[in-house]
Amino acid sequence: KAGVTQTPRYLIKTRGQQVTLSCSPISGHRSVSWYQQTPGQGLQFLFEYFSETQRNKGNFPGRFSGRQFSNSRSEMNVSTLELGDSALYLCASKRNRDRGNQQYFGPGTRLTVT
Amino acid sequence: KQEVTQIPAALSVPEGENLVLNCSFTDSAIYNLQWFRQDPGKGLTSLLLIQSSQREQTSGRLNASLDKSSGRSTLYIAASQPGDSATYLCAVSSQGGSEKLVFGKGTKLTVNP
Repeated sequence: KAGVTQTPRYLIKTRGQQVTLSCSPISGHRSVSWYQQTPGQGLQFLFEYFSETQRNKGNFPGRFSGRQFSNSRSEMNVSTLELGDSALYLCASKRNRDRGNQQYFGPGTRLTVT
Repeated sequence: KQEVTQIPAALSVPEGENLVLNCSFTDSAIYNLQWFRQDPGKGLTSLLLIQSSQREQTSGRLNASLDKSSGRSTLYIAASQPGDSATYLCAVSSQGGSEKLVFGKGTKLTVNP
């Protein structure tokens, strides 16, 4: 069974540009969450999608947005990039919203903003 | 607001040693606690998941315990190997309708041959 896949794996963008990252969950998983990892702040929750609806959102500015498609694949978008957005962006999937289920993480997208 | 702390931030041990990593959380109203492993520049690998009603979970050389009332968890690694070198992260899922995991900053483990 294929794991969580994220594309692209690496990305370099210029300040002010926008970027879209993609996440394909494990087959059969319907919940997708996004996290930002930086050396200073560690791992921080961005948002979670289930059945194409955003269920939870972390404490990030509106420049960060996402969506989920009917096949459970998810995208996140960051507009007007800032240097501080440089981070590893991780996506995680779960079968459903049952608390007993594990979250499985993808390899991440390394975003560098110059 | 849930906060997760991991001590120590870094640990270096000789191969073969048994070791314990610590995790503490401020709000005991959790659904579950997970331990993850992260290799440099990579994603997270789930090691163990402990439900709030459980006291411990074991997988191979790993044993994780949970004391919800005191807000603590430990990850015990037996007979450490160089391949265990990685950053170990603890994360809690809290009650309140959120799928959000709150992570600690991790413990960077180095096992020396």
